[in-house]
Amino acid sequence: GAGVSQSPSNKVTEKGKDVELRCDPISGHTALYWYRQRLGQGLEFLIYFQGNSAPDKSGLPSDRFSAERTGESVSTLTIQRTQQEDSAVYLCASSPGLAGPPPSAQYFGPGTRLTVT
Amino acid sequence: GENVEQHPSTLSVQEGDSAVIKCTYSDSASNYFPWYKQELGKGPQLIIDIRSNVGEKKDQRIAVTLNKTAKHFSLHITETQPEDSAVYFCAAGGYSTLTFGKGTMLLVSP
Repeated sequence: GAGVSQSPSNKVTEKGKDVELRCDPISGHTALYWYRQRLGQGLEFLIYFQGNSAPDKSGLPSDRFSAERTGESVSTLTIQRTQQEDSAVYLCASSPGLAGPPPSAQYFGPGTRLTVT
Repeated sequence: GENVEQHPSTLSVQEGDSAVIKCTYSDSASNYFPWYKQELGKGPQLIIDIRSNVGEKKDQRIAVTLNKTAKHFSLHITETQPEDSAVYFCAAGGYSTLTFGKGTMLLVSP
């Protein structure tokens, strides 16, 4: 079946502009995660959605970052007033969450490479 | 919170050799330990995972071992092939979130 998809695959923006990144999870997956991966680094947790529960925003680095998810479908990650240090690959993952036996595996999309000039 | 340490950061082997990557974790409540392979320009791909009620799991050329007492787990790849070259990440977590190691770049030379 279809995996996690993300768009755009690449985004170049000027410092100070807002950007919006999109994630389409695997159908039926109730949990959705956003991560940031700086060049040559590991995965930095940003935010976690589980069904209609309040999201876990503990990883968001500043109030310029926000994310939304409608029900158990598409999610968007928004970065306002982008800075050069926001340049990274933003990865989305989904998992069966409460729809499967816990704990459940996370499946990643290909990522969006964001470059802030 | 959870802290995951991964070693080595780079590993070079000859084709056909075995490769071992080790991780330690800090939170004794963690009960799920996946391993991911990330090729250049792609997202991480789940290759094997182990839960805390199991000590070892094998899938063809890859195996993972878990020692909950010592809080460490390892990935073993036997008969390495050039296509095994990638960055490998370990992770530890529980019901919802995972904490990832910083990754190991594995280079397999023909």
